[in-house]
Amino acid sequence: SAVISQKPSRDICQRGTSLTIQCQVDSQVTMMFWYRQQPGQSLTLIATANQGSEATYESGFVIDKFPISRPNLTFSTLTVSNMSPEDSSIYLCSVEYPPGTRDSTDTQYFGPGTRLTVL
Amino acid sequence: GENVEQHPSTLSVQEGDSAVIKCTYSDSASNYFPWYKQELGKRPQLIIDIRSNVGEKKDQRIAVTLNKTAKHFSLHITETQPEDSAVYFCAAPFAGAGSYQLTFGKGTKLSVIP
Repeated sequence: SAVISQKPSRDICQRGTSLTIQCQVDSQVTMMFWYRQQPGQSLTLIATANQGSEATYESGFVIDKFPISRPNLTFSTLTVSNMSPEDSSIYLCSVEYPPGTRDSTDTQYFGPGTRLTVL
Repeated sequence: GENVEQHPSTLSVQEGDSAVIKCTYSDSASNYFPWYKQELGKRPQLIIDIRSNVGEKKDQRIAVTLNKTAKHFSLHITETQPEDSAVYFCAAPFAGAGSYQLTFGKGTKLSVIP
């Protein structure tokens, strides 16, 4: 099965500060995604992290607020900038493996999530 | 983009009974439909998926059916057990920026009563 880790697992931050979340995968992946899941809610895609190019953001999310890096095929970071209490949420990365390397194409596997609380 | 509707939002069943969760999608080009199970405090886990070239797929007590004409797909859990209690999410892909992202339904909280 997929081995995906995230750091930190949880954090409590002060308003106005920034937090960088790391996502590490056990092998090279084609696609990496970042999601937000607010308490009791569904998963909302923030952006697709592209290796070697700028991330692609979904409507309602901007690079200045959620800068993303993807320096190689096994690692990505998401920064939540200038945080407010409304940013309190669980942030999850997910990955899609290259065809033929896992169960099937298109399947996304999720990391364990980072629970962020902003005071 | 894709619009995914999921029903019901909550579902309570007696242990041993069956549970059915339904999703509809809007993009007729969608061709891959996964179901995820998320236990409290845990990550979403893929439990079953189906592609548009088949109408049904089964894995032990779990099955998924797909009706492409009507643009809906359903998750069926038979002989439910307390450990099936969780939130279940359906998803459908949409094309964006050269790759397929997933749009998730709002989730169904399933409670299996012993």
